[in-house]
Amino acid sequence: DQQVKQNSPSLSVQEGRISILNCDYTNSMFDYFLWYKKYPAEGPTFLISISSIKDKNEDGRFTVFLNKSAKHLSLHIVPSQPGDSAVYFCAAYPGSARQLTFGSGTQLTVLP
Amino acid sequence: DTEVTQTPKHLVMGMTNKKSLKCEQHMGHRAMYWYKQKAKKPPELMFVYSYEKLSINESVPSRFSPECPNSSLLNLHLHALQPEDSALYLCASSLRGTGNEKLFFGSGTQLSVL
Repeated sequence: DQQVKQNSPSLSVQEGRISILNCDYTNSMFDYFLWYKKYPAEGPTFLISISSIKDKNEDGRFTVFLNKSAKHLSLHIVPSQPGDSAVYFCAAYPGSARQLTFGSGTQLTVLP
Repeated sequence: DTEVTQTPKHLVMGMTNKKSLKCEQHMGHRAMYWYKQKAKKPPELMFVYSYEKLSINESVPSRFSPECPNSSLLNLHLHALQPEDSALYLCASSLRGTGNEKLFFGSGTQLSVL
């Protein structure tokens, strides 16, 4: 049973436009969420995180929004750049547990 | 230094071979992790070491044997692997391993078992 779901396997966006990547979760115990970016044959790179006590966190071009009632979070990238083309993973921790659960990923392609 | 270094980058081994994967970090992190990732799938947790003690083993077969010689080093010893064990093996580290921390990942070892 997938507790963290990324229902869009792929997304294409024009350079300069906004990219919105979505993530849904089922476990109400999740209280800390992270986004990672991954290029082929490389390890995931941390992008941004958000605690469940917040509903928004911003870092440069990246903003993460959390809607706890809907168990939904999203990553906004503005403006999108070709170098942002990668697989984006949503991940979550349940409380103080050490097992970080990953979603299945979304391949973002930014077209020049 | 915010790097997690993994060696080798690529490894091809037969089903009767014994090999080891190595991982090193110098960020002062006290938790280290092994993940396995198959193509087009999310990383799956295998083991967690916290303060050099094995704290989580996600029911990994005994042909995978982790070792944490000190807080900076993590090894994964491989023996009698199966072709389905072919995957990208990722090492990660975090500050304390208490949850709600970001993990720093290495570039991984791409393993092929023939």
